[in-house]
Amino acid sequence: GQSLEQPSEVTAVEGAIVQINCTYQTSGFYGLSWYQQHDGGAPTFLSYNALDGLEETGRFSSFLSRSDSYGYLLLQELQMKDSASYFCAVSRGGKLIFGQGTELSVKP
Amino acid sequence: DAMVIQNPRYQVTQFGKPVTLSCSQTLNHNVMYWYQQKSSQAPKLLFHYYDKDFNNEADTPDNFQSRRPNTSFCFLDIRSPGLGDAAMYLCATSTGGTQETQYFGPGTRLLVL
Repeated sequence: GQSLEQPSEVTAVEGAIVQINCTYQTSGFYGLSWYQQHDGGAPTFLSYNALDGLEETGRFSSFLSRSDSYGYLLLQELQMKDSASYFCAVSRGGKLIFGQGTELSVKP
Repeated sequence: DAMVIQNPRYQVTQFGKPVTLSCSQTLNHNVMYWYQQKSSQAPKLLFHYYDKDFNNEADTPDNFQSRRPNTSFCFLDIRSPGLGDAAMYLCATSTGGTQETQYFGPGTRLLVL
């Protein structure tokens, strides 16, 4: 089958750096994406890795290692507004397959 | 601004009473998706259209149907809502490329009484 695993919850303080990991058991996918979803809101696209390595977009970076079946989202200089759920997802067959999501709580 | 619009934002229906949720997009994307999302869970894909080609997920109940009359609009019909169908329903679009970046609407929260 296809599955992606993420920690269910992560807590960090404002200004810190946090890494949200995503391990997967699937093959033949085009790339790994990350989406952010605030409580009551819609998922919004954050980052995409088609190739192994690091992609940087402002305070957010994402990493993929296909050989290790592993990726992560790195959030730097955490702000209170970063409190949200973060989903990793693989692109396959015209669809996204989502992980179960990680709820990030940023404390003052 | 180009966007994905869902109406209504909140929908209350009675057990067994048919309900239709709507989605429109100004992005001119080929693909439109419907997801169901329950609290603290990932979005669950119900079905998607690539242009007019309909693709149903194997575990989507027959109670859920969809229509896409044109590129811009897509509808989700729930023929006989049960209490378990109370959820957020998200519409999304994409160009259909390999990256599959999806653009989500704000969702419709369905309450079944």
